[in-house]
Amino acid sequence: NAGVTQTPKFRVLKTGQSMTLLCAQDMNHEYMYWYRQDPGMGLRLIHYSVGEGTTAKGEVPDGYNVSRLKKQNFLLGLESAAPSQTSVYFCASSPGTYGIQYFGAGTRLSVL
Amino acid sequence: DQQVKQNSPSLSVQEGRISILNCDYTNSMFDYFLWYKKYPAEGPTFLISISSIKDKNEDGRFTVFLNKSAKHLSLHIVPSQPGDSAVYFCAASGAGTYKYIFGTGTRLKVLA
Repeated sequence: NAGVTQTPKFRVLKTGQSMTLLCAQDMNHEYMYWYRQDPGMGLRLIHYSVGEGTTAKGEVPDGYNVSRLKKQNFLLGLESAAPSQTSVYFCASSPGTYGIQYFGAGTRLSVL
Repeated sequence: DQQVKQNSPSLSVQEGRISILNCDYTNSMFDYFLWYKKYPAEGPTFLISISSIKDKNEDGRFTVFLNKSAKHLSLHIVPSQPGDSAVYFCAASGAGTYKYIFGTGTRLKVLA
């Protein structure tokens, strides 16, 4: 029972490069979320999805895009990475409104 | 504007004593609250929740108290153990939303 799996675990990018972070969940959850964690800032919501084919903006969506083509996967894309996007990224899934969110182990991204 | 605040960035407690972690919120529409624990290099894991129809919820050594009039919740850990050393986040959700707003976290250190 893997739960929520994030790939990759670590990545270093140069400014302007692009990349995609993958989140996969095997709990058949409807809702999925992408957060970033920065020192002193807690967890801030980037984008979320309430079902296959749907996405919505969170608190800090600028510079990111997402896609939910399959229920079990939620992809986070950075089209042109900037140093301000250096952070730890967490994916989470939830069965529904008021449901507990289950988190992946995180992706540590550095943009030089 | 931080809707969920954890004003103590860190807390040190002796093993066996009580740990009290505090969380304040500003949005009166929040009606469901969660606490998460996070170890280094891992994702947050769910600890305990409370609905606004209750003022207390208990699970083993962990108790969460909710004071709606003060817009304040607290997590009590009794007795504290060294394995409880982690960062603790509170999170709040409002009626009809799919999202949680997280606090900035409190780092708890339990001294042996």
